[in-house]
Amino acid sequence: EVQLVESGGALIQPGGSLRLSCAASGITFSSYWMHWVRQAPGKGLVWVSRINTDGTTIAYADSVKGRFTISRDNAKNTVYLQMNSLRAEDTAIYYCAAGLGIWGQGTMVTVSS
Amino acid sequence: EIVLTQSPGTLSLSPGERATLSCRASQSISTNYIAWYQQKPGQAPRLLIHGASSRATGIPDRFSGSGSGTDFTLTISRLEPEDFAVYYCQQYNNSPLLTFGGGTKVEIK
Repeated sequence: EVQLVESGGALIQPGGSLRLSCAASGITFSSYWMHWVRQAPGKGLVWVSRINTDGTTIAYADSVKGRFTISRDNAKNTVYLQMNSLRAEDTAIYYCAAGLGIWGQGTMVTVSS
Repeated sequence: EIVLTQSPGTLSLSPGERATLSCRASQSISTNYIAWYQQKPGQAPRLLIHGASSRATGIPDRFSGSGSGTDFTLTISRLEPEDFAVYYCQQYNNSPLLTFGGGTKVEIK
């Protein structure tokens, strides 16, 4: 079964750090560009970051550049999102996606004091 | 950055009716690298269309995509009860930056 499972979401104070993980199964993980997309409560989808198959090409939305770091471990079939200097506006469900068509169910990040 | 504007914001229709959703880009997407997604409450997005007009695996043929340049359209030929949801367009032409439109909610009239 094709599956992406995100983990690591939590309630965190402003300025804090969090690392999200996304574990893939049922796909040839190393063949997929991986993305993180977020959705604030009641709002639309916002693309956050992406990484190519071997981790050599990475991009970020301006809103997270310099604070978030995407990485992947093809041996573990896992992509990560290290989030530092978190702000209230980072509060959202964070989805990982493999290519365009394979999405996880998301993990909730709440930034609040 | 390419900005995608979806219209209308909300579409109120009855089952069996035709739905036409628009996605307009701030600059030409010459590659037609436009995708459409459906999202229901509490669920992850589901890919419907890629490459502006190619249906994803398992998507019913009542869903169709069209358009080129800056204007793209998702059409649902006859709405089924399960089609009432929010729909997003996405461009993946302006690599490395990807963007989504603001969404169109299709609600039961």
